[in-house]
Amino acid sequence: ILNVEQSPQSLHVQEGDSTNFTCSFPSSNFYALHWYRWETAKSPEALFVMTLNGDEKKKGRISATLNTKEGYSYLYIKGSQPEDSATYLCALKNSNSGYALNFGKGTSLLVTP
Amino acid sequence: DGGITQSPKYLFRKEGQNVTLSCEQNLNHDAMYWYRQDPGQGLRLIYYSQIVNDFQKGDIAEGYSVSREKKESFPLTVTSAQKNPTAFYLCASSIGLTGGTEAFFGQGTRLTVV
Repeated sequence: ILNVEQSPQSLHVQEGDSTNFTCSFPSSNFYALHWYRWETAKSPEALFVMTLNGDEKKKGRISATLNTKEGYSYLYIKGSQPEDSATYLCALKNSNSGYALNFGKGTSLLVTP
Repeated sequence: DGGITQSPKYLFRKEGQNVTLSCEQNLNHDAMYWYRQDPGQGLRLIYYSQIVNDFQKGDIAEGYSVSREKKESFPLTVTSAQKNPTAFYLCASSIGLTGGTEAFFGQGTRLTVV
């Protein structure tokens, strides 16, 4: 079982605040790191797929960075909006798990007006 | 529309009965996955399949079985050997196991065993 850790477990911010979450993972045999957003009553949707050390990706107000050598990724949300409220999942792919996606427990974000 | 369909959305079964959860995709994806979610837990991998007629156990495969006879379909059977079958089950697919592409998910099936 791959140990993919996410912190914090939950977060409550005010509209307009910027926030960030952490995903930690074993750095050996790294293949890819995925971020997904899971809104209530919907299916998880991909935000980013990152494969290279030092990768930085951005989609609107959301961005992510990747450090494969030390085994962590950060997800940043700038100027949070109520519609950003969701659970944010990171998932690791590496050769130890046959390249299947192994998920962390997620960070639950609530943004209030 | 292309996507993944899981059915049914809610399923109730009596203890000791086997039950099969359906997962169909029309995305022409080779890889398919089954995950289970319990309260306070993340998505835990049950089984995955890289290609037709091939599948591998995930972290919590005990008490479950799968088949992959067609590319589009990856049904999951929850057997009576599964100690705590009540959970939310998610199916996903991706173009392949390798390659930098994301997974697409179904809407999930909530199974309650009474």
